[in-house]
Amino acid sequence: GAGVSQSPSNKVTEKGKDVELRCDPISGHTALYWYRQSLGQGLEFLIYFQGNSAPDKSGLPSDRFSAERTGGSVSTLTIQRTQQEDSAVYLCASSLVSGAANYGYTFGSGTRLTVV
Amino acid sequence: QQQVKQSPQSLIVQKGGISIINCAYENTAFDYFPWYQQFPGKGPALLIAIRPDVSEKKEGRFTISFNKSAKQFSLHIMDSQPGDSATYFCAASISQGAQKLVFGQGTRLTINP
Repeated sequence: GAGVSQSPSNKVTEKGKDVELRCDPISGHTALYWYRQSLGQGLEFLIYFQGNSAPDKSGLPSDRFSAERTGGSVSTLTIQRTQQEDSAVYLCASSLVSGAANYGYTFGSGTRLTVV
Repeated sequence: QQQVKQSPQSLIVQKGGISIINCAYENTAFDYFPWYQQFPGKGPALLIAIRPDVSEKKEGRFTISFNKSAKQFSLHIMDSQPGDSATYFCAASISQGAQKLVFGQGTRLTINP
């Protein structure tokens, strides 16, 4: 597609339930990133995938959070046993990385997660 | 060392005025400094970016000023328009390979007509 697509756009879940958020990056983009944006806050890095390399998971806030990227394309961010503090907008971005050059992020519109 | 501090949190400017947003960073290894613009309900979009080999970069009404010795950079929006009303984020990263951007806290800019 022309841009980064995220689904669902909104998700309301009960505390303790698991949720899956999906990201379809721009075709051909080799790097994929997940960020979290809490109300009135900046963007907090969660995880990124680059080609076949091991993902950088250094930003995941707890072991309830995990992500995978299948076939170098679609990514799913999973949050288990959701807590109210997980409520935020989860943003996905992708970029084309060639050698040492990175041609800039393109963000999706995000998934707004509300845990009640 | 990974922080990027952004100010002010909110800013109100009259139409036609100059909007100025400031950022400071700590990690001297950072060598890529983008600014993103975000409208409600949308993801951030790259506005303009600078590398530390220049002190200023201008694109239309948007200018980044960069002070390497002070580890500071700023966004200037000239002739601000109501359509510029948005949240602006500065960010920093090491430019090689898959960048992991460190973002400032954001500035909510309102341009009054």
